[in-house]
Amino acid sequence: SQTIHQWPATLVQPVGSPLSLECTVEGTSNPNLYWYRQAAGRGLQLLFYSVGIGQISSEVPQNLSASRPQDRQFILSSKKLLLSDSGFYLCAWSVRGVRTEAFFGQGTRLTVV
Amino acid sequence: TQLLEQSPQFLSIQEGENLTVYCNSSSVFSSLQWYRQEPGEGPVLLVTVVTGGEVKKLKRLTFQFGDARKDSSLHITAAQPGDTGLYLCAGVSAGGTSYGKLTFGQGTILTVHP
Repeated sequence: SQTIHQWPATLVQPVGSPLSLECTVEGTSNPNLYWYRQAAGRGLQLLFYSVGIGQISSEVPQNLSASRPQDRQFILSSKKLLLSDSGFYLCAWSVRGVRTEAFFGQGTRLTVV
Repeated sequence: TQLLEQSPQFLSIQEGENLTVYCNSSSVFSSLQWYRQEPGEGPVLLVTVVTGGEVKKLKRLTFQFGDARKDSSLHITAAQPGDTGLYLCAGVSAGGTSYGKLTFGQGTILTVHP
């Protein structure tokens, strides 16, 4: 069976510090991978998605970047965090095709102070 | 940019009432999905609809995909407190450079009071 791991679960970082959130998927090959950010009680804003190694599509200009160094690894990074980067970050994977149902990690609650 | 407009944003009802949540877009999607999310967790898939006009039932939940594959609705019959949560619709882009992109609506916060 497929599983997705996202860590850490919570993170408190000072303004101006770097960020690295990691997401790995097991039990599948060539998944689509996604990073979303969610404001409290609201919808998911797509930040990045990837259909293959080294292929990253950025949806929203921002202070963040993403990389996919391996087929089942997706990393969200920032060189210098801003207060506005605080939020709930979710990694997800899906198989390719018409259905493309997404399966989510448990999320990372990031607080920039 | 493909946008999904979800309404209403908030819904507070009494146990036993019926409700409908709508998801609309000007774009065509290859499929549309509905998720439910609990606080502090990732969304969990409820259903996927693929064919225009398709209707799917999941116990007290009925999902419909519009004929033109641009909109969908979620209807809950006889709501229960356990239905409380955030409901999200999501559309899969049909093709081109956005193929496979999964876009979410803003969500509907449903509260069912006993």
